[in-house]
Amino acid sequence: GESVGLHLPTLSVQEGDNSIINCAYSNSASDYFIWYKQESGKGPQFIIDIRSNMDKRQGQRVTVLLNKTVKHLSLQIAATQPGDSAVYFCAEIPNTGNQFYFGTGTSLTVIP
Amino acid sequence: DAGVIQSPRHEVTEMGQEVTLRCKPISGHDYLFWYRQTMMRGLELLIYFNNNVPIDDSGMPEDRFSAKMPNASFSTLKIQPSEPRDSAVYFCASSSPYLASGANVLTFGAGSRLTVL
Repeated sequence: GESVGLHLPTLSVQEGDNSIINCAYSNSASDYFIWYKQESGKGPQFIIDIRSNMDKRQGQRVTVLLNKTVKHLSLQIAATQPGDSAVYFCAEIPNTGNQFYFGTGTSLTVIP
Repeated sequence: DAGVIQSPRHEVTEMGQEVTLRCKPISGHDYLFWYRQTMMRGLELLIYFNNNVPIDDSGMPEDRFSAKMPNASFSTLKIQPSEPRDSAVYFCASSSPYLASGANVLTFGAGSRLTVL
C-alpha cells in the first residue's frame, strides 16, 4: 500500500554555495527560537538561538534572521560544506512555559 | 560533561514485551524531556519533568506508556506491552531553565531506536 509520512522540504546546494533554510512559526507569543541540526543516526544538535527582541544573530558560518511581522525564521549557512548535510529543525519556545515546539524539518543535501 | 546518555541505542523486541528506555541527563539540568521521532509524525514531545516531577504528560500516547524520574540523574520510559506502532527513535533531552541561552538549552541524547516486531 501507499506509505504516508511527513514530506520533508528538501534543499540541495552545491558545495561552497550559501544555503537558506526557512521556517514559519505559529505562536506570536513565542519569545525564543532555536535551530537544530540532526545528522543521520544522531540526536538533534543545537546550532544557534535568537530571542524575539532581536532580528538577526550571527554565529560561525551561520546567521539566523527573525521576522516577527510574518512569523518567519530563516537559517543561512555560508559556504556550505558536505558536513552540513542533515535535517534542520526550528523550534519555538512560548513565553508561557518550557515547551519546545519543533517544525517538521528541512533536509539539506550538499553536492560535492 | 558526557552529554545526555541514553540506553540502549538499539532495541528489537517482539510485540507484547516490556521495553524500558533509560536516560541520564546533563548534571545540573533540571528539566528532562522525552521525545519520539517517526517519519509519520516527526518529533513529538511525550512528557517532561522539572526537578524530577512530571509537569506535562499530555503527549504520552496511552496507558501503555509510563515515565519516571526517581532522581535528578536518571529517568526511564517504559512501554508495556509494546506494539509494532511503537517502533520509533526515542530521544531524551535535558535543559536548564529556558531563559539560559546557548547550548544549555535542550541538549539531546543520541536516541534509542526501538523496533517492535
